[in-house]
Amino acid sequence: GAVVSQHPSRVICKSGTSVKIECRSLDFQATTMFWYRQFPKQSLMLMATSNEGSKATYEQGVEKDKFLINHASLTLSTLTVTSAHPEDSSFYICSASGMDEQFFGPGTRLTVL
Amino acid sequence: AQSVTQPDIHITVSEGASLELRCNYSYGATPYLFWYVQSPGQGLQLLLKYFSGDTLVQGIKGFEAEFKRSQSSFNLRKPSVHWSDAAEYFCAVDGNQGGKLIFGQGTELSVKP
Repeated sequence: GAVVSQHPSRVICKSGTSVKIECRSLDFQATTMFWYRQFPKQSLMLMATSNEGSKATYEQGVEKDKFLINHASLTLSTLTVTSAHPEDSSFYICSASGMDEQFFGPGTRLTVL
Repeated sequence: AQSVTQPDIHITVSEGASLELRCNYSYGATPYLFWYVQSPGQGLQLLLKYFSGDTLVQGIKGFEAEFKRSQSSFNLRKPSVHWSDAAEYFCAVDGNQGGKLIFGQGTELSVKP
């Protein structure tokens, strides 16, 4: 299947700083990418839908000014957690849509101290 | 509102035994249905999907799932479990058929020798 990568795989940052997470589709072009958040022992919650060349669509309850999403090319979407706080600590997962299914990245573990 | 329910949080089966993981969904029409497996350090991997047609779907790794409209269910089965099947399993639906997935809570599968 198609490969989606995420970078970094884990990051630790201080409260108040911003963190950028990259999601790349390595062997196919994805006009649509999705960002999910997963808390320990819980399900994946869709945060936003990222469309190449247009603004992201955020799910209800997700702060668009806090979670900035940019989808500048058909192979790259970025999620920036701005002014991160400990409650933003979580596992962030992206997926890229293609060939009638979504291909998921391995996830990024964010820890905010 | 759309919802997906996986009633079993944790299941333990003996290696070689059969397995059934339950999934029920709530949606007005028949959504697209998926089963994913998540192993530590790896992205979600698609096991199988149902869009339409034959209600018994074959997937990878010897898994199958049966769509039952009358019960709004899409249970995952495997006749003989291997130790390597130990992982977290997620059922997901795409009600709008536009790629936005709603995930169940997940079922953690443990396999005992």
